[in-house]
Amino acid sequence: RKEVEQDPGPFNVPEGATVAFNCTYSNSASQSFFWYRQDCRKEPKLLMSVYSSGNEDGRFTAQLNRASQYISLLIRDSKLSDSATYLCVVNRPPAAGNKLTFGGGTRVLVKP
Amino acid sequence: DGGITQSPKYLFRKEGQNVTLSCEQNLNHDAMYWYRQDPGQGLRLIYYSQIVNDFQKGDIAEGYSVSREKKESFPLTVTSAQKNPTAFYLCASSIKANQPQHFGDGTRLSIL
Repeated sequence: RKEVEQDPGPFNVPEGATVAFNCTYSNSASQSFFWYRQDCRKEPKLLMSVYSSGNEDGRFTAQLNRASQYISLLIRDSKLSDSATYLCVVNRPPAAGNKLTFGGGTRVLVKP
Repeated sequence: DGGITQSPKYLFRKEGQNVTLSCEQNLNHDAMYWYRQDPGQGLRLIYYSQIVNDFQKGDIAEGYSVSREKKESFPLTVTSAQKNPTAFYLCASSIKANQPQHFGDGTRLSIL
């Protein structure tokens, strides 16, 4: 089982619609979770951290489900500019190297 | 402006040649990382350093070498032992391990 798994997509989303996707992680001791956005042929950029209580940043909502070991990202009122690959990032606990592990990404295409 | 600078943006390597990719940060971050990304794939960790004069192998270190003589700098050498070096190389830094990473805009390496 991969440490961090994502559905590669693509998720084809009509402009203005809502899209949500998950990311599963294998190490139950993980404590830090993030979502990054990567545009084609560009570097990843931090979108948001994911907190235990869930958090929202404008049209983006992130949730953490520790029992089932997944995090989710929901995008409301999708814009054309939301088209990108979304990377799920999870830490390895200190005993396992104490660094972040990136998922393979979920591609989202927002269409008019 | 604070940030991470990678150079060059494009690099071509001849057979049997070693090449060095530069990564400099002025964010005063302790930790620095090198990733490789192949087309349509996720990020794979090559090497990381959590403190000056110390570094550890990541998941795909074979054929690569690094140094961390200064806090600001973490150059990556792609040696002739790396038989398939064509990829997008990304350098990142973070305040500490497990904290969000900030990326440079990458170096594209190709074989001549």
